[in-house]
Formats: sequence, C-alpha cells, structure tokens
Amino acid sequence: GAGVSQSPRYKVTKRGQDVALRCDPISGHVSLYWYRQALGQGPEFLTYFNYEAQQDKSGLPNDRFSAERPEGSISTLTIQRTEQRDSAMYRCASSLSGGSSIEKLFFGSGTQLSVL
Amino acid sequence: AQSVTQLDSQVPVFEEAPVELRCNYSSSVSVYLFWYVQYPNQGLQLLLKYLSGSTLVKSINGFEAEFNKSQTSFHLRKPSVHISDTAEYFCAVSGGTSYGKLTFGQGTILTVHP
Repeated sequence: GAGVSQSPRYKVTKRGQDVALRCDPISGHVSLYWYRQALGQGPEFLTYFNYEAQQDKSGLPNDRFSAERPEGSISTLTIQRTEQRDSAMYRCASSLSGGSSIEKLFFGSGTQLSVL
Repeated sequence: AQSVTQLDSQVPVFEEAPVELRCNYSSSVSVYLFWYVQYPNQGLQLLLKYLSGSTLVKSINGFEAEFNKSQTSFHLRKPSVHISDTAEYFCAVSGGTSYGKLTFGQGTILTVHP
C-alpha cells in the first residue's frame, strides 16, 4: 500500500479483555517495528521483525504482550488480560532493509488503546 | 543503554521568528541521531538524520541540526518558522545491532503563532 496502515484507529476495551492490534506495512518492507507511546512521552520500542522472524522482543513489558508476523507482511500485536496501564498509542513502523543499515522508518498513524 | 532528553516540552514562537529545539543524549556506544516530526493525526515522519561526516545536517524544509559530540547534543534549529511548522518534534538515537530500534526523547510541541 501507499503507507503503513494500522487498525483499528481506536480501541476501547474493558480491563481483563484481550486485544489484537494490526499493522500492514509498506509492501516489500523487510523490517517491522512496534512502539508504544504513553501520553506526553516519546515512543518506546517494544519489538521488531525481519521478515517473519522476531529479532528482538526486549521491549515487551511482560508476558501478556506478544507479537507475530507469520508471513513476513502483516503483523499483530496481542495484549492479553488488558490492564489500565496498557492504555497508550501503539505505533507500527516499517523499513525497507533488514535493520543492518540506516533506513528511514515509516510510521503508521497508530492505534489508540483505552482500557477502562 | 541510551537515553535522550528534550529540554523543552513546549515552545511557542511567532511566525518568522527563529527557533531552537534542544536535544541531549547519552550513550555508551557510537550513535546515529534523528529528528522526527509528527503533525496532528499523522504518523511520525523523519525530518533529518546524522550518521557520519559533516556534523551539520539539513532538511528540505529549512530545518538543520548540528551534532556536537563533546556536548552530546543534537539541537534542531530553523532561522524563520512558518505556521505549518506547528507540530510535535522528537529527537531519537539508535545504535547497536538494529538501527531501527530507536530511543526517543519526550517530544517538544512547537506552536507557531501568527
């Protein structure tokens, strides 16, 4: 597609529910990144993939968070048993290369998650 | 470990005035430095980056930033701002095995008044 697409744009859920956030990167982009941005803060790295392989998940805050990219294109970030502290903007970004060279990241508009 | 500090959370200026958005970083390894801009209801966009070579880097819309290794700074400047420059600006660093794994500052909201 023309850019990185994220859905849904807004997600409101009740505490304890599971949510799945979707990211559709730019076609042909090798690397895909997930970031989380709390209100008034900069984005914080969560995890990234090269093709379908998860290369680094050091930023995932706990085992309720997981991500996958099974066919090396669309990725899903899943949060199980959501808590109010999970409320944030979740941003996805993609880049053309495999993370081993300096490539521009293209960001989506994000999914605003609100946990009530 | 890396960290980025943006010293001003909000910067209001009048149109055609100069502006400087400050950014300091800390890192135990060599870093690459970036400024990203976020316009309302849009994703972050790369404004400019420092990788190596000349310490002064420029964007196509008149912004520039200078890498100062001794002061560990990468301040963003523009000699004359426009209303359309109103946005949130993020300074970021990367290093290590993945250059897309960025550490961002807290952001600076630049508001340009007529």
